Amino acid sequence: AQSVTQLGSHVSVSEGALVLLRCNYSSSVPPYLFWYVQYPNQGLQLLLKYTSAATLVKGINGFEAEFKKSETSFHLTKPSAHMSDAAEYFCAVTNNFNKFYFGSGTKLNVKP
Amino acid sequence: GAVVSQHPSRVICKSGTSVKIECRSLDFQATTMFWYRQFPKQSLMLMATSNEGSKATYEQGVEKDKFLINHASLTLSTLTVTSAHPEDSSFYICSARIPRGGSGGENIQYFGAGTRLSVL
Repeated sequence: AQSVTQLGSHVSVSEGALVLLRCNYSSSVPPYLFWYVQYPNQGLQLLLKYTSAATLVKGINGFEAEFKKSETSFHLTKPSAHMSDAAEYFCAVTNNFNKFYFGSGTKLNVKP
Repeated sequence: GAVVSQHPSRVICKSGTSVKIECRSLDFQATTMFWYRQFPKQSLMLMATSNEGSKATYEQGVEKDKFLINHASLTLSTLTVTSAHPEDSSFYICSARIPRGGSGGENIQYFGAGTRLSVL
């Protein structure tokens, strides 16, 4: 069985500050991990994915995530937050690209 | 990236009526589409996998007679909520996956914008 835990349903940072959104996963087989972003009234947009290549994955909009097997984590970071980053972020895990297990989401608020 | 269109974005209906939601892949052919349900402050839960030309595969606990799925073409899957009740009120999201051998982006699920269903 697989599952995803996103710590913190709401995260608030100041513009220009570091963004850190946490994701821990549970998987009995090597996982494939994803981060999606959802803006209001829009679908989920892929930010980045880990599919067993480099453990540090760079995505769109300056985001990156590091796969740490020993910690079963795939935290999402961005060095400097921008107002346009305010959205809801979902971490997801799969082992076969069919059934995706999503975390409960983290809403990021960016303060001016 | 690939585009998935979902319609309608919002629907309000009376209890006992049926509601159809469409999911279209606009610039690629999708042999497999997925239907998710999202309750407030909860994660997306996979309801069923829709396969073009065959029956959908439902997840445990999802009533197949309640949530009818039709994937009649390579670009369209529909979800019909039959005899809707207030407890069916939720956010429904579809996704489509580019099949192997496609022009890149394989094994990525592309999501529609979702449909907010409110049953009165």
